[in-house]
Amino acid sequence: DTAVSQTPKYLVTQMGNDKSIKCEQNLGHDTMYWYKQDSKKFLKIMFSYNNKELIINETVPNRFSPKSPDKAHLNLHINSLELGDSAVYFCASSQDFYGYTFGSGTRLTVV
Amino acid sequence: GEDVEQSLFLSVREGDSSVINCTYTDSSSTYLYWYKQEPGAGLQLLTYIFSNMDMKQDQRLTVLLNKKDKHLSLRIADTQTGDSAIYFCAEPPNQAGTALIFGKGTTLSVSS
Repeated sequence: DTAVSQTPKYLVTQMGNDKSIKCEQNLGHDTMYWYKQDSKKFLKIMFSYNNKELIINETVPNRFSPKSPDKAHLNLHINSLELGDSAVYFCASSQDFYGYTFGSGTRLTVV
Repeated sequence: GEDVEQSLFLSVREGDSSVINCTYTDSSSTYLYWYKQEPGAGLQLLTYIFSNMDMKQDQRLTVLLNKKDKHLSLRIADTQTGDSAIYFCAEPPNQAGTALIFGKGTTLSVSS
């Protein structure tokens, strides 16, 4: 059973399009995250939700909007995609201090 | 600002020991983590250590913590080609409501 699952795994789209990435966790964790990993493999936090409530909103463009319909799901919607949005996006969840459990990532390529 | 520092590359021969080093920023961190990322995969929690420990051993892995110098290291004994991956050091945020802070990752390359 996959603990944190993201879909799709790969996403290739044209500039200007709107796309969504979905994330679901079956661990019963209270907190979920979106991280962006750039081409140099650096990881940067984008958003965090705790029990459906936004608690972190780092400096990301307004074109990125997270949505958490319930505490097991955290989706990421991106409007007007740009070339610079190309990256791997990771969803993660956590409970207490036992570290984060990551999804396998969504590789977004904007052409 | 918060910065977790790691060297970016390490190359070893199969069977040798690998030591990956990390310098963290917050001396009050209660626990520190090592994550492993294999090519094309997500991050996998490898091990963690509480700040009241100096050392933690788990099979081929040894974590050493020097709180005075804010230095964390991961030693992999008898390194195998399957250990080739990116290793990330991470510390908890020093403010409530923020997220785990990752180092830039050390790419370990193991040659046979």
